[in-house]
Amino acid sequence: AQKITQTQPGMFVQEKEAVTLDCTYDTSDQSYGLFWYKQPSSGEMIFLIYQGSYDEQNATEGRYSLNFQKARKSANLVISASQLGDSAMYFCAMTPTDSWGKLQFGAGTQVVVTP
Amino acid sequence: EPEVTQTPSHQVTQMGQEVILRCVPISNHLYFYWYRQILGQKVEFLVSFYNNEISEKSEIFDDQFSVERPDGSNFTLKIRSTKLEDSAMYFCASSYSGTVPSEQYFGPGTRLTVT
Repeated sequence: AQKITQTQPGMFVQEKEAVTLDCTYDTSDQSYGLFWYKQPSSGEMIFLIYQGSYDEQNATEGRYSLNFQKARKSANLVISASQLGDSAMYFCAMTPTDSWGKLQFGAGTQVVVTP
Repeated sequence: EPEVTQTPSHQVTQMGQEVILRCVPISNHLYFYWYRQILGQKVEFLVSFYNNEISEKSEIFDDQFSVERPDGSNFTLKIRSTKLEDSAMYFCASSYSGTVPSEQYFGPGTRLTVT
């Protein structure tokens, strides 16, 4: 069984600053995928970024980057140059590749971007 | 940009009644999923569906739940006899692949309230 831990229930960040959201995971699987999703107050789940366990390079998507440290089992999300529209709940999720569709989510981190 | 749609956005039902939540996945996607999120809690996997069969289901997905793809576009979740604890946001998601890295795209959700 896997477990996803997001230890930061909430964070404030100033506009234009970078913020790091922590995610650690526990799995015995050798091959797995890690995802980050954003959930604004409107409720929808928006895919942000993906990292495969065998990917040697950290994933990047625009202002989002994933700081993947496999040995430490961490997959932190970095949002650079925060914008007011980044205010949302952020969820880390993972799935083993032998059960690819079954996303397991962490509890989430609420980010509030202030002017 | 193609998107997953869900109807209704909000459903109120009395305990013991049957409800059907509807989803239209992205048209060229092959894998379909249902998740739920009880208010203030993390997103939980319910079921995955491929080739007109359930691929995997969680312990939450008991005999009261069923899924169906009645035609080429809709994907439904039925709860036969709703309970108070079924009150949650239900998300439908779809992905092109279920066996290689493929992000899941989520719909906007249906908020189910059981009274």
